[in-house]
Amino acid sequence: GNSVTQMEGPVTLSEEAFLTINCTYTATGYPSLFWYVQYPGEGLQLLLKATKADDKGSNKGFEATYRKETTSFHLEKGSVQVSDSAVYFCALYYGNNRLAFGKGNQVVVIP
Amino acid sequence: DAGITQSPRHKVTETGTPVTLRCHQTENHRYMYWYRQDPGHGLRLIHYSYGVKDTDKGEVSDGYSVSRSKTEDFLLTLESATSSQTSVYFCAISVGGTNEQFFGPGTRLTVL
Repeated sequence: GNSVTQMEGPVTLSEEAFLTINCTYTATGYPSLFWYVQYPGEGLQLLLKATKADDKGSNKGFEATYRKETTSFHLEKGSVQVSDSAVYFCALYYGNNRLAFGKGNQVVVIP
Repeated sequence: DAGITQSPRHKVTETGTPVTLRCHQTENHRYMYWYRQDPGHGLRLIHYSYGVKDTDKGEVSDGYSVSRSKTEDFLLTLESATSSQTSVYFCAISVGGTNEQFFGPGTRLTVL
C-alpha cells in the first residue's frame, strides 16, 4: 500500500549545524510528497512540497528533492536555529484527496 | 491561515460518556478531515468528508462517527468514549486542485 517511513528517534543538534531527516515512501506511481512542521502546541503547517520526480521543494531554508530512484524525499537545512525546534512529518498523496503521514521526528536545537 | 477553528480546545471526560468535537471553516472548502495524533503513530485518518452529507472512513474509524450537515462544519462524535481515545485530534481541510491540507489548532481529549 501507500506509506511513508521516517527515521526513528528524535534529532538533537546544536545551533548552526546541518540537519537531515530521512523519508522514504512506498506508493503506486509518483505521488506528490510533502513535509509538514508542527511547533509546540500548534497544528501542522505545510513546509514544502514536490509534485514530480526530481522536483525540489524549498521554504524557510529547508529543502527536499523528490528522488524516484531511491523513493526518498529527505529534508535538509544547512544551518538550523533554535526556532527550528519542532516535529517534522513527511507525507504523500495517495488519491481521493487523502494524505498518508509518517510518524514524525522531533527536532531539538540547542543554543 | 485557512480559517479553521476547533472546539473545544481541551476536554476531560469519563469513560462511557459521549463526546462531540467541532471543526469549523470559513472558506467553503469541499474536503474536510479528522485525524488523531498519538506518540509513535504520527497522524492517522479517522474520517473524512467530500461534501455535505458525504463522508467516508479512514484507517482508524472504529468508535467514531462524523456528520456534515453544512459545508463549514464537520463534527466528530465518540459515542461512548474509552481511554484508548485519549489523544490530540486535528481537523484539516484540503485546498481544491493542490492536494495540500491545512490544519486546525487541535483538541486535546483526555478520557479518564
